[in-house]
Amino acid sequence: DVKVTQSSRYLVKRTGEKVFLECVQDMDHENMFWYRQDPGLGLRLIYFSYDVKMKEKGDIPEGYSVSREKKERFSLILESASTNQTSMYLCASSPGQGIQYFGAGTRLSVL
Amino acid sequence: DQQVKQNSPSLSVQEGRISILNCDYTNSMFDYFLWYKKYPAEGPTFLISISSIKDKNEDGRFTVFLNKSAKHLSLHIVPSQPGDSAVYFCAATPGPDKLIFGTGTRLQVFP
Repeated sequence: DVKVTQSSRYLVKRTGEKVFLECVQDMDHENMFWYRQDPGLGLRLIYFSYDVKMKEKGDIPEGYSVSREKKERFSLILESASTNQTSMYLCASSPGQGIQYFGAGTRLSVL
Repeated sequence: DQQVKQNSPSLSVQEGRISILNCDYTNSMFDYFLWYKKYPAEGPTFLISISSIKDKNEDGRFTVFLNKSAKHLSLHIVPSQPGDSAVYFCAATPGPDKLIFGTGTRLQVFP
């Protein structure tokens, strides 16, 4: 079974803090993705990566950055957290055939 | 602009009956479509997919129909079971990598 692990299930941070969300996959997938899920808006793509050290902006990259130093790990960084970044964050990986496998999600609250 | 739309935010169905979830898309370049199911506090899990060269794909109780001329797909679940209660997302891709998700439909199956 594909396993995508997100390091935290719940996080509470303060406005202005730098926040790191970590994601690890164990299937040697080339592609990894970060989404946020908000009520009524579905899943929106923040950033994705096709290979180590490569990254591409998704639909809502503002306020975020990413890092992919190793194939199995994809990190999402909130440089200076704001209250409008309170959300459910979902990481996914894919072998490149359309189907993406998701982690359990990190619910981030920014106070 | 929402390229993948799920116009019904919720659906309630009696156990044993058919559930029909609908999805519309605007981009005729989409060539692969997927349905995901999401339980609370879990990541989305892949359910079923269909290529644009087909108009139907079936997997057990789940069938996806694609009407390319209408840019419409639907997911049929028959018979519906209480364990099917979840949020269902449709997704589309113009290629093997990125997915564009709809806003989701919450299905409740009651006894």
